[in-house]
Amino acid sequence: ILNVEQSPQSLHVQEGDSTNFTCSFPSSNFYALHWYRWETAKSPEALFVMTLNGDEKKKGRISATLNTKEGYSYLYIKGSQPEDSATYLCALQEYGNKLVFGAGTILRVKS
Amino acid sequence: EAGVTQFPSHSVIEKGQTVTLRCDPISGHDNLYWYRRVMGKEIKFLLHFVKESKQDESGMPNNRFLAERTGGTYSTLKVQPAELEDSGVYFCASSTTLGTEAFFGQGTRLTVV
Repeated sequence: ILNVEQSPQSLHVQEGDSTNFTCSFPSSNFYALHWYRWETAKSPEALFVMTLNGDEKKKGRISATLNTKEGYSYLYIKGSQPEDSATYLCALQEYGNKLVFGAGTILRVKS
Repeated sequence: EAGVTQFPSHSVIEKGQTVTLRCDPISGHDNLYWYRRVMGKEIKFLLHFVKESKQDESGMPNNRFLAERTGGTYSTLKVQPAELEDSGVYFCASSTTLGTEAFFGQGTRLTVV
């Protein structure tokens, strides 16, 4: 059974600060790791899908890395903006397709 | 192209009543998933359809929950009778093949009082 831990649980930063969160997993027996951005009452929005150890993905000010050997993925946000405030979800995709989610990291960016 | 749509967006029902949630996936997506997030907890898998067939229903909490996917298009999730602990946000997602991203709907917020 896959287990996904996310830290920190919540984070408050000032506009312009750079920040990062961690997704850790004891087992690397999964097909892919997904990062989602979720604002309440909206659809979770896919940010990245990573499958290979050493994968690095970037979209604007947001980037992510995957280290399956040591069991973690980092999500970085450079120069946080108030509109980045959301819950960031990490999920492991099993070989059967279903996603196993972590509890998420709540980010609040103050202007 | 329309995304995944869910109806209703909110539902408040009394304990013991029946509620049916609907999900319309992205056209052409064979995979359809139901997930649930109860207050303060992580999003948890309920079940997975491939076309009209149930591929995995290991996450369904009990026999009060019934999911169907008529003709491999839209899906419904019925809760009968609803209990207080069923309150939460029910998400639907769809995808094409393994390894591609899953597209989520905005969720249905169910409150059982």
